[in-house]
Amino acid sequence: ELKVEQNPLFLSMQEGKNYTIYCNYSTTSDRLYWYRQDPGKSLESLFVLLSNGAVKQEGRLMASLDTKARLSTLHITAAVHDLSATYFCAVDFNTDKLIFGTGTRLQVFP
Amino acid sequence: GAGVSQSPSNKVTEKGKDVELRCDPISGHTALYWYRQSLGQGLEFLIYFQGNSAPDKSGLPSDRFSAERTGGSVSTLTIQRTQQEDSAVYLCASSPYGLEQYFGPGTRLTVT
Repeated sequence: ELKVEQNPLFLSMQEGKNYTIYCNYSTTSDRLYWYRQDPGKSLESLFVLLSNGAVKQEGRLMASLDTKARLSTLHITAAVHDLSATYFCAVDFNTDKLIFGTGTRLQVFP
Repeated sequence: GAGVSQSPSNKVTEKGKDVELRCDPISGHTALYWYRQSLGQGLEFLIYFQGNSAPDKSGLPSDRFSAERTGGSVSTLTIQRTQQEDSAVYLCASSPYGLEQYFGPGTRLTVT
């Protein structure tokens, strides 16, 4: 079965702190995507990871992919309130369609 | 340039009625996808069109759901005899073949 598991489901962080969101998937893939969703809005693409060892960074967010461990991480550095949103990882298991994780709802407070 | 657009943005319908949801993909994108986002099921794939190939309908939850794509561009998702469990946000995405998917704003469907 093609599955994508994400944790934690909910994350409440203080501004300035660091944290990591984890995304595990069930079988071989080298195409993984991270999306951000604000309440009532659609999905905004954050990162595209297409090979083992890929690392992408944008501002306070950094994503990495380990295809051997079937694991991707989204690391948040020195969180700020504007990062509050729901973050989804999604995997393409070589079928061109995306299987999404459950999402991580991030809340950053002062 | 213009992104993926969807209409209507909100649709309220009575149980048993048919609804049509429209998606205009990014110009030049050969692949078009429909997904559904609901509280109970999260984000789930429904159907995928790629060029002139037969669509991948493996995610459609029942035969009340169908979709077509005309001229390799605009797509319509049709739900017949709507049920309350069909209430969800229906998201359309498009991509250049095999690459990153760009999502539209979604259609929020409420079945009363």
